[in-house]
Amino acid sequence: KQEVTQIPAALSVPEGENLVLNCSFTDSAIYNLQWFRQDPGKGLTSLLLIQSSQREQTSGRLNASLDKSSGRSTLYIAASQPGDSATYLCAASGAGSYQLTFGKGTKLSVIP
Amino acid sequence: DARVTQTPRHKVTEMGQEVTMRCQPILGHNTVFWYRQTMMQGLELLAYFRNRAPLDDSGMPKDRFSAEMPDATLATLKIQPSEPRDSAVYFCASGLSYYEQYFGPGTRLTVT
Repeated sequence: KQEVTQIPAALSVPEGENLVLNCSFTDSAIYNLQWFRQDPGKGLTSLLLIQSSQREQTSGRLNASLDKSSGRSTLYIAASQPGDSATYLCAASGAGSYQLTFGKGTKLSVIP
Repeated sequence: DARVTQTPRHKVTEMGQEVTMRCQPILGHNTVFWYRQTMMQGLELLAYFRNRAPLDDSGMPKDRFSAEMPDATLATLKIQPSEPRDSAVYFCASGLSYYEQYFGPGTRLTVT
């Protein structure tokens, strides 16, 4: 059974700092890995999706990497802004499976 | 701007009462997911529908939970009878494939 872990559970950084969020998964036979953002009281918004054949995806100031052999993914946020404050969740899906297994998220606070 | 809508947004009820949560998927989407989010367990998949047919509801307590799609524009999740441990945020998500999921804002359920 796939398990997804995100450490730390919370992170506070000053505005402008570059930061990395971590995600680890136990089963390397994943189909893809996604990063989501969740704002308080709202649903999840997909940020980046990395297929198993890819090593990274970029969108604006966000860059997500995937290392299947080590069971790890990272989300890099450049030049953080207060508007980046939210909870970030990663989710892994297995080959041929519709199930997304979510981590519990990292709550990011960017201090002005 | 197409969005998944969920009603009600908040629900407070007493133990033993029936609770019905509704979801309107994005028009044209043929997959619908129900998730439950708690601090302890994170996001858990409850049910998955494709073309209105339930493909997986193994995540739901069968004795009290039921999920249906009466038509393509409405998905329902019912709890009867409700218990305090059902207190959580319930999310509906829709998409055209299992890895492309658009989340609704959620229904926050409190059972006293």
